[in-house]
Amino acid sequence: DTGVSQNPRHKITKRGQNVTFRCDPISEHNRLYWYRQTLGQGPEFLTYFQNEAQLEKSRLLSDRFSAERPKGSFSTLEIQRTEQGDSAMYLCASSLPFRSGNTIYFGEGSWLTVV
Amino acid sequence: AQSVTQPDIHITVSEGASLELRCNYSYGATPYLFWYVQSPGQGLQLLLKYFSGDTLVQGIKGFEAEFKRSQSSFNLRKPSVHWSDAAEYFCAVGARNTDKLIFGTGTRLQVFP
Repeated sequence: DTGVSQNPRHKITKRGQNVTFRCDPISEHNRLYWYRQTLGQGPEFLTYFQNEAQLEKSRLLSDRFSAERPKGSFSTLEIQRTEQGDSAMYLCASSLPFRSGNTIYFGEGSWLTVV
Repeated sequence: AQSVTQPDIHITVSEGASLELRCNYSYGATPYLFWYVQSPGQGLQLLLKYFSGDTLVQGIKGFEAEFKRSQSSFNLRKPSVHWSDAAEYFCAVGARNTDKLIFGTGTRLQVFP
């Protein structure tokens, strides 16, 4: 049983550098989500895809953030010109349409530390 | 807009004691409701969910939750806590017109032997 896979699990980068995270969802899932979680907080929604279409983006997703899901399978989240405030765990999740009662499965997250 | 409140930031219980974690939501219609658990440095695991029907929902690891529309609540309960239940617990609400979840700030559960 392959769950949601995220890479890299940890990334330390210098302020101003670009970083990219990859998410491989459960294979038959057409929904893919990105969330951000800072210490002591719950996950905050960033964006989600239905197949390759990005259907919703949070206002948290500034111009420095871009997410893609080019073939409706894996997704990437890129952060350009990183800032210290970007330090967080970035969680990916996938599901079939959850309003039909399906479960949203989360990956183990990618930790970003900006120094 | 939806929101979720988890009033208890940190709860400590003795092993074997009962547990109730509180969750209140704000949403104009009947929401979808979820409880997730997160161990340190890990992702989230679904404990249980409510979509419709019976308002008492059974989940994994012996957890249950009850949806009370009149109180806008979805409290999580367990009759006897095990040391392995120590973790962070998140309540989440999903709207009926979008696929995103809105999470509360979480309750950290500590279990003493």
